[in-house]
Amino acid sequence: KQEVTQIPAALSVPEGENLVLNCSFTDSAIYNLQWFRQDPGKGLTSLLLIQSSQREQTSGRLNASLDKSSGRSTLYIAASQPGDSATYLCAMNRDDKIIFGKGTRLHILP
Amino acid sequence: GAVVSQHPSWVICKSGTSVKIECRSLDFQATTMFWYRQFPKQSLMLMATSNEGSKATYEQGVEKDKFLINHASLTLSTLTVTSAHPEDSSFYICSGGGLLQETQYFGPGTRLLVL
Repeated sequence: KQEVTQIPAALSVPEGENLVLNCSFTDSAIYNLQWFRQDPGKGLTSLLLIQSSQREQTSGRLNASLDKSSGRSTLYIAASQPGDSATYLCAMNRDDKIIFGKGTRLHILP
Repeated sequence: GAVVSQHPSWVICKSGTSVKIECRSLDFQATTMFWYRQFPKQSLMLMATSNEGSKATYEQGVEKDKFLINHASLTLSTLTVTSAHPEDSSFYICSGGGLLQETQYFGPGTRLLVL
């Protein structure tokens, strides 16, 4: 059974700190892995997409890595800001199916 | 946990026809549902926000007259692709949240192929 697990479920850190969100998946035969942001009551915002042939992607203060052999992906957020407070989801694409993790709820303390 | 269903899971249609995709929340009421699409090797992208009893809110670049959204009840939202063309072939997925909208539950998706 393909599963996507995100740890931790919730995280609070002071503003300015760097942080890492973790995502693990059980099947290494993925097409790509995506990271999304979700604000309460809003739809998903795509942050980063890593193809299966790639190891990382960067966008601004965000860096996502992918290690298929270990079934892990991380989302690194540098110099966190209160506006980064949201739920972050990772999703695994395989066989035209998208499997989402349950998300990490991030709270950046001013 | 909460369940969201989509119907159909697969649809193949001829160019110029319209296709309706249903999204149902099976054990909770969703005042808001979201519609996404994903082209091959691309990220899932939000198309529109569907609000029960009111007009949908479309993301920039999404044609509201082509992608008709109806959210007539708290458990059903429909997306109709009008006059479908091959470039509309994509994977369409919906999601819905409970009262607090803190958690979104995703449907299994609908794959549309327009010939």
